[in-house]
Amino acid sequence: AQTVTQSQPEMSVQEAETVTLSCTYDTSESDYYLFWYKQPPSRQMILVIRQEAYKQQNATENRFSVNFQKAAKSFSLKISDSQLGDAAMYFCAYRRGNRDDKIIFGKGTRLHILP
Amino acid sequence: DSGVTQTPKHLITATGQRVTLRCSPRSGDLSVYWYQQSLDQGLQFLIHYYNGEERAKGNILERFSAQQFPDLHSELNLSSLELGDSALYFCASSVGPMGGNEQYFGPGTRLTVT
Repeated sequence: AQTVTQSQPEMSVQEAETVTLSCTYDTSESDYYLFWYKQPPSRQMILVIRQEAYKQQNATENRFSVNFQKAAKSFSLKISDSQLGDAAMYFCAYRRGNRDDKIIFGKGTRLHILP
Repeated sequence: DSGVTQTPKHLITATGQRVTLRCSPRSGDLSVYWYQQSLDQGLQFLIHYYNGEERAKGNILERFSAQQFPDLHSELNLSSLELGDSALYFCASSVGPMGGNEQYFGPGTRLTVT
């Protein structure tokens, strides 16, 4: 069975600084997708970034980038120039590829931004 | 705005009661997923429908059931409610059926069982 583990329940970062959220996953599949979702106090689930396992290049979306280490099954999220609006719960997630399938979520990391 | 709508936003009910949560997928999306977010279990997949047919079941209790109608909206029925059923219930939709399609989440329905 596929699992997603986030070992940091909470993190804090100073505004304008950089922070990295960790995630590891376990799967025997070769085709899959990895995601980071943001859940602000509004509770809306917002897709931050996604990575296809077959792509070696790390995905980037503005201030958000990932470090995808396929062999190590590691998928960390780096947030640069942290802003107050980045404060939220962040979920690492996995989905098998090549099919319409459920998403498996980690337990989440609550990120606090210190002004 | 993801284009996925869920009603109601909030629901407060008593133990033993039955409720129905409604989800309308994005225009053109044929797949609907239901997820439950609770404090102790985190975000868990409940059930998946594609074009009216059940495709996969996750950790869904027997007291819960769902269906997807010909107009593609979906309903999640929760019966004999217990305090532990209090949670945020999300619906997500995707085009389906091939992989790689994004799942778009609705705003959720917050269920409180008293």
